[in-house]
Amino acid sequence: SQTIHQWPATLVQPVGSPLSLECTVEGTSNPNLYWYRQAAGRGLQLLFYSVGIGQISSEVPQNLSASRPQDRQFILSSKKLLLSDSGFYLCAWKPGREDTEAFFGQGTRLTVV
Amino acid sequence: AQSVAQPEDQVNVAEGNPLTVKCTYSVSGNPYLFWYVQYPNRGLQFLLKYITGDNLVKGSYGFEAEFNKSQTSFHLKKPSALVSDSALYFCAVRDAMTTDSWGKFQFGAGTQVVVTP
Repeated sequence: SQTIHQWPATLVQPVGSPLSLECTVEGTSNPNLYWYRQAAGRGLQLLFYSVGIGQISSEVPQNLSASRPQDRQFILSSKKLLLSDSGFYLCAWKPGREDTEAFFGQGTRLTVV
Repeated sequence: AQSVAQPEDQVNVAEGNPLTVKCTYSVSGNPYLFWYVQYPNRGLQFLLKYITGDNLVKGSYGFEAEFNKSQTSFHLKKPSALVSDSALYFCAVRDAMTTDSWGKFQFGAGTQVVVTP
């Protein structure tokens, strides 16, 4: 069966520090991968999505970047965090070309202080 | 362009009463529709989906939803709510006419469900 791992679960970082959040999927190949941010416990904002290694699409211009160095690995990064980067970050995946739902990781609570 | 509206920020219901969470959508082509539930500080859990076929779909934990094409709605329902159903519920849509494989999901703003004993 497929599983998604996202870590760390919580993170407190000072303003101006770098960020690296990692997400990996097991039990599938060539998945679509997604990074969402959820602010104030409500709506989901799609940040990045990827259909293959090295193929990243950005939905919202911002202080963040994403990379997909391996087929089932998706990394969210920042060189210098801002206070406004605080939020709940969710990684998700979907079988590449199948008309199915997306499956979510457990999320990372990022607090920038 | 695709969009989803969840008109209620919060729904309050007494335990044992029917629960309805509303969702309307807009897509260029045919919709793929989904419902998810989120508990505090957790990821989203999939409840049910409409891809094609019967308009009434049944999902996890006794939830069901009815696809209504004329009203562009996909309301989530449960005949008898439990206190444990208290959570944040998200409706999502994907446009079946999208020819690429991106599979972008558009989520609604979420509806907080509060079930009181």
